[in-house]
Amino acid sequence: SQQGEEDPQALSIQEGENATMNCSYKTSINNLQWYRQNSGRGLVHLILIRSNEREKHSGRLRVTLDTSKKSSSLLITASRAADTASYFCATDAGSARQLTFGSGTQLTVLP
Amino acid sequence: GAGVSQSPSNKVTEKGKDVELRCDPISGHTALYWYRQRLGQGLEFLIYFQGNSAPDKSGLPSDRFSAERTGESVSTLTIQRTQQEDSAVYLCASSPRRSGRGDTQYFGPGTRLTVL
Repeated sequence: SQQGEEDPQALSIQEGENATMNCSYKTSINNLQWYRQNSGRGLVHLILIRSNEREKHSGRLRVTLDTSKKSSSLLITASRAADTASYFCATDAGSARQLTFGSGTQLTVLP
Repeated sequence: GAGVSQSPSNKVTEKGKDVELRCDPISGHTALYWYRQRLGQGLEFLIYFQGNSAPDKSGLPSDRFSAERTGESVSTLTIQRTQQEDSAVYLCASSPRRSGRGDTQYFGPGTRLTVL
């Protein structure tokens, strides 16, 4: 079963706007990671936030983590058409060796 | 340096045939993972290797699925007697150390398997 669940499932915005995607999960985690996937193929790692961190920035990306609510958000500022992709959260939990991925948010940025 | 590579990139097979998918991880990465992604869905964990041993096979959906790894290099995922439900993109990832230590996983481009 999926550990993380993203919402919305799909998001369409205009270039220059900000995009916010949310992820909820069920169990305690060591860290939470966000990945991007273009055209249903390989995933690219974007950012990792540890369970003792609340916010992290990387370029136009801002990630927050609220462990009390078991939720995270990914904000992409000043979006570009090239940001069009699927975005997945993935949790690294307990002694598990693998990441558990959510079902993803399909982001479309219109030029 | 080179990233994770997978072959073939696309595979079309007939129901009941066996298929073998290959993954070449990043050199020096000890951990290797196989995932399956059905159309429009998230990634489903299949199996994890630490070196050439597989401490976690919990995600393999049936005994038709098996995987092996040679040392800390290439891995093959074999699906016997393929079924239409096996159609998906099979993704391989590697990381430098054992997961649970906050490691980033580096993904290959995937193999798109279509079972007719």
